[in-house]
Amino acid sequence: DSGVTQTPKHLITATGQRVTLRCSPRSGDLSVYWYQQSLDQGLQFLIQYYNGEERAKGNILERFSAQQFPDLHSELNLSSLELGDSALYFCASSATGTSSFNEQFFGPGTRLTVL
Amino acid sequence: GENVEQHPSTLSVQEGDSAVIKCTYSDSASNYFPWYKQELGKGPQLIIDIRSNVGEKKDQRIAVTLNKTAKHFSLHITETQPEDSAVYFCAANTGGFKTIFGAGTRLFVKA
Repeated sequence: DSGVTQTPKHLITATGQRVTLRCSPRSGDLSVYWYQQSLDQGLQFLIQYYNGEERAKGNILERFSAQQFPDLHSELNLSSLELGDSALYFCASSATGTSSFNEQFFGPGTRLTVL
Repeated sequence: GENVEQHPSTLSVQEGDSAVIKCTYSDSASNYFPWYKQELGKGPQLIIDIRSNVGEKKDQRIAVTLNKTAKHFSLHITETQPEDSAVYFCAANTGGFKTIFGAGTRLFVKA
């Protein structure tokens, strides 16, 4: 158990809808990272927050947004969902603001299915 | 842009044999190279990492080598066991905020 929790575990929704994925980092970790893992693909970095502020952006679509709250939990919002958004979404946390020289602890993921 | 290529995509070995996974990175400024193992139904977990000022690092049956000139780094698993079966990801970081992951290698260890 990494100490990172994600809810829900599974999510099934329809095209055009909007969903929110939730992540609680390990106790004491200030950074939260979001990744998308599609079938047979690696981990695509979406976005990082550090202590409530956006720190780095990856290949995140404009339809997607995220935030980190004062209690350090984070939410990833996906809107106008398309079939291609079906994937595993992972949240990871680390102690400091950089992922360099710094282990990321991954949650169990949220499997999103868009029908 | 930054890119990490990983080979092979699938690797099948007999229990007790060695397994080698190779990665190439594009950004010469990369200075941190972690390897993650993802078991079925779980999130990735760090198994070993190496910094750019080190050429090799070992941890029991696992070793990682780095060739900065060629921008190559590799994961070596010796005396493989069935519980080593998983997806392995290499990654590279330039010392900044983004870690770029390879596409993953699915390792099967046959008993």
